[in-house]
Amino acid sequence: GAVVSQHPSWVICKSGTSVKIECRSLDFQATTMFWYRQFPKQSLMLMATSNEGSKATYEQGVEKDKFLINHASLTLSTLTVTSAHPEDSSFYICSARAVSGKYDTQYFGPGTRLTVL
Amino acid sequence: DAKTTQPPSMDCAEGRAANLPCNHSTISGNEYVYWYRQIHSQGPQYIIHGLKNNETNEMASLIITEDRKSSTLILPHATLRDTAVYYCIAQAPGSGSARQLTFGSGTQLTVLP
Repeated sequence: GAVVSQHPSWVICKSGTSVKIECRSLDFQATTMFWYRQFPKQSLMLMATSNEGSKATYEQGVEKDKFLINHASLTLSTLTVTSAHPEDSSFYICSARAVSGKYDTQYFGPGTRLTVL
Repeated sequence: DAKTTQPPSMDCAEGRAANLPCNHSTISGNEYVYWYRQIHSQGPQYIIHGLKNNETNEMASLIITEDRKSSTLILPHATLRDTAVYYCIAQAPGSGSARQLTFGSGTQLTVLP
């Protein structure tokens, strides 16, 4: 149980185009999902918190108009990188919060490797 | 969330137990200790978590000191596939949506053949 999927697993795009990444909780409902970004040889950095049915909360320094987040259902959150540029090339990872009784745990997707040419 | 401190790297022989330490001396009473690992180019994988009692599951054991200022993750029989960066995170139960995990630099565990 507690599986989170991401699609696509990798994407290459031209500078100026937009890219959408999907994050799905496959066997549980998640009212809260998180989006992280990881640059080579660095740790994960939280970008935003995505809440089902409401606006995402962005971390300081993350442009909300550039990284659009939509959490339209309890099993799906999407991250759209608008007008992508080479500096947006990174590993994007989502997580979904599973709450069951006393357990409150986040489960992560496999990540999406974005390369902007 | 309380700050955690981990050694940057450790080696372990294949088949032996891997003991990964974590210091969380400023942990508060309601903060749990979570362990995740990240194998190269993959998303983090949940391993185990606990509050004050020792915990065991199919992947690992978590030993938390009585004063809760430190903990040890034990992989009982390490394999080459356990080579990864291991993250120890202290976090309180969720209230509302602001419950993100704060990742430090973790411990790079290398299992040697």
